[in-house]
Amino acid sequence: GAGVSQSPSNKVTEKGKDVELRCDPISGHTALYWYRQSLGQGLEFLIYFQGNSAPDKSGLPSDRFSAERTGGSVSTLTIQRTQQEDSAVYLCASSLQVRIGETQYFGPGTRLLVL
Amino acid sequence: AQSVTQPDIHITVSEGASLELRCNYSYGATPYLFWYVQSPGQGLQLLLKYFSGDTLVQGIKGFEAEFKRSQSSFNLRKPSVHWSDAAEYFCAVVSYNAGNMLTFGGGTRLMVKP
Repeated sequence: GAGVSQSPSNKVTEKGKDVELRCDPISGHTALYWYRQSLGQGLEFLIYFQGNSAPDKSGLPSDRFSAERTGGSVSTLTIQRTQQEDSAVYLCASSLQVRIGETQYFGPGTRLLVL
Repeated sequence: AQSVTQPDIHITVSEGASLELRCNYSYGATPYLFWYVQSPGQGLQLLLKYFSGDTLVQGIKGFEAEFKRSQSSFNLRKPSVHWSDAAEYFCAVVSYNAGNMLTFGGGTRLMVKP
């Protein structure tokens, strides 16, 4: 079946612009995760959803970052007023449920470059 | 807080040689440990995971890992490396307190010489 998909694959934007990154999880997966992969910070967790709810938003780097999930499926990560330090690969993953050790399946990522 | 350390940033091995990638974790209780592989331009693919029980875990692509509590390690091994194994490898531990959040090590980039 289809895996996790993300769009766009690549995004180049100018500093100060807003961007939206989209994640389509595996059908039937109730848990969805966002991670960021950057040269300086490695792989870091941003936020997770259980259904449409995000119980803990403390992993988001700043208040310029927000995320939502609708219909228990697609999720959007929005970065407002982008900065150069936001340049990174944003990875989305999904799992059947939010349960310790449940395997997370990752998408190919969105490579964001802020000029 | 839990953490994961991968001491080797880069490793180069010859095709057909054996491989061991090191991973050390810091966690108070019995950890849930994972190894993922990332090929260039690709997402992360799960190789194997350890929760409990047998400390030697078999994974896909001929990889295995051994959990050693006394050394806080979870090293990844393969008896004979293939050129297609060239990729970046990440060890990770899951957090009990944050919805199955993965904490990753810094990664080890594997290069394979012909």
